[in-house]
Amino acid sequence: AQSVTQPDIHITVSEGASLELRCNYSYGATPYLFWYVQSPGQGLQLLLKYFSGDTLVQGIKGFEAEFKRSQSSFNLRKPSVHWSDAAEYFCAVGNSGGSNYKLTFGKGTLLTVNP
Amino acid sequence: GAGVSQSPSNKVTEKGKDVELRCDPISGHTALYWYRQSLGQGLEFLIYFQGNSAPDKSGLPSDRFSAERTGGSVSTLTIQRTQQEDSAVYLCASSLATAGGFQETQYFGPGTRLLVL
Repeated sequence: AQSVTQPDIHITVSEGASLELRCNYSYGATPYLFWYVQSPGQGLQLLLKYFSGDTLVQGIKGFEAEFKRSQSSFNLRKPSVHWSDAAEYFCAVGNSGGSNYKLTFGKGTLLTVNP
Repeated sequence: GAGVSQSPSNKVTEKGKDVELRCDPISGHTALYWYRQSLGQGLEFLIYFQGNSAPDKSGLPSDRFSAERTGGSVSTLTIQRTQQEDSAVYLCASSLATAGGFQETQYFGPGTRLLVL
């Protein structure tokens, strides 16, 4: 069964610093990979997704992620964090070989941004 | 345009009572999904609808949980004889279709926060 690991439960960065959130997946075939963000009291918003092609994916709000098959990773990055980026971030994987709708989510990384 | 809406936003109930959670998907979205977000557990898939049919109910945790969708639009998740472990945020999402698989983005609602006392 597919699984997603987000090793960092909570990360704190200073405003203006760079950010990298880690995501590792376990899946045998080519995965569909997603990053979602959840602000307090809000639903999940899609930041970016990877299906195929260029392994560096650009998303909204200045985020990007890089798919590395050899490391089974899909880490999210942002060069300069803004206070409004404080939220919880979820990595998810979709099963390309079976049900083409079920997303498996990691447990999330809570991002705190210090002024 | 309007996004996915869910009601109520918060629900407090007593153990043993039944609850109904409602989801209004984005207009025109034929696929609808329910997820549960428990503290420390991340999001768990519960059930998926394509139109009014639910081809996959594999994520429902017990037979106390059921869901229906009418008119290819509104969906209701019902939990009977609630237990304290049912306390969680229940999220609904919708997408245009699944024929395109994950090409179709799942758009999430704000969730219903359920507390069972």
